Amino acid sequence: EAGVAQSPRYKIIEKRQSVAFWCNPISGHATLYWYQQILGQGPKLLIQFQNNGVVDDSQLPKDRFSAERLKGVDSTLKIQPAKLEDSAVYLCASSLGTGSRRPEAFFGQGTRLTVV
Amino acid sequence: SQKIEQNSEALNIQEGKTATLTCNYTNYSPAYLQWYRQDPGRGPVFLLLIRENEKEKRKERLKVTFDTTLKQSLFHITASQPADSATYLCALSYNQGGKLIFGQGTELSVKP
Repeated sequence: EAGVAQSPRYKIIEKRQSVAFWCNPISGHATLYWYQQILGQGPKLLIQFQNNGVVDDSQLPKDRFSAERLKGVDSTLKIQPAKLEDSAVYLCASSLGTGSRRPEAFFGQGTRLTVV
Repeated sequence: SQKIEQNSEALNIQEGKTATLTCNYTNYSPAYLQWYRQDPGRGPVFLLLIRENEKEKRKERLKVTFDTTLKQSLFHITASQPADSATYLCALSYNQGGKLIFGQGTELSVKP
């Protein structure tokens, strides 16, 4: 079974530029998560989708971050414009979703973003 | 809002000993509490899940307990090995399909 795929693995941009991250979840997983992990901290949930609907985006800085999940499969997270404090690893994860007895999440390797 | 607290200091133990990691939460009890392992440069990997009506779960050398009175979960690794060295994260969710919230993680170092 293929895991969660993310790209790119690394990205360096200047502040005020824009950047996009892509995620392909495990086939059949209805729930998709985007997390931000700053060095030395735990993952912070940015947005959670169930199929192509948003379950929670309370911690997404909506003035600069946006995310979409087209057709309930792949997802893209965008930052525009980037700030220095956005430097972090962006993790995508997926799980079977509501109603499943297996709620555990499967993570991709993440995208390490450096804003200079 | 819900807070999750894990040992902030790194845990250093000798090979063969039992490592015990703590996860405390505030407010009401979650439906699920999960433990993940994270190695440097990698995404977290799921280890164990325990439900609010369960007291204990085991998997090979791993054991998780869940005390809803103390609002605490303990994660034990018995007969620890240097390969167990990693950061361990606890996470909780309040219902099926609800948001999954992580603690800050505890770094475990097992010395030979």
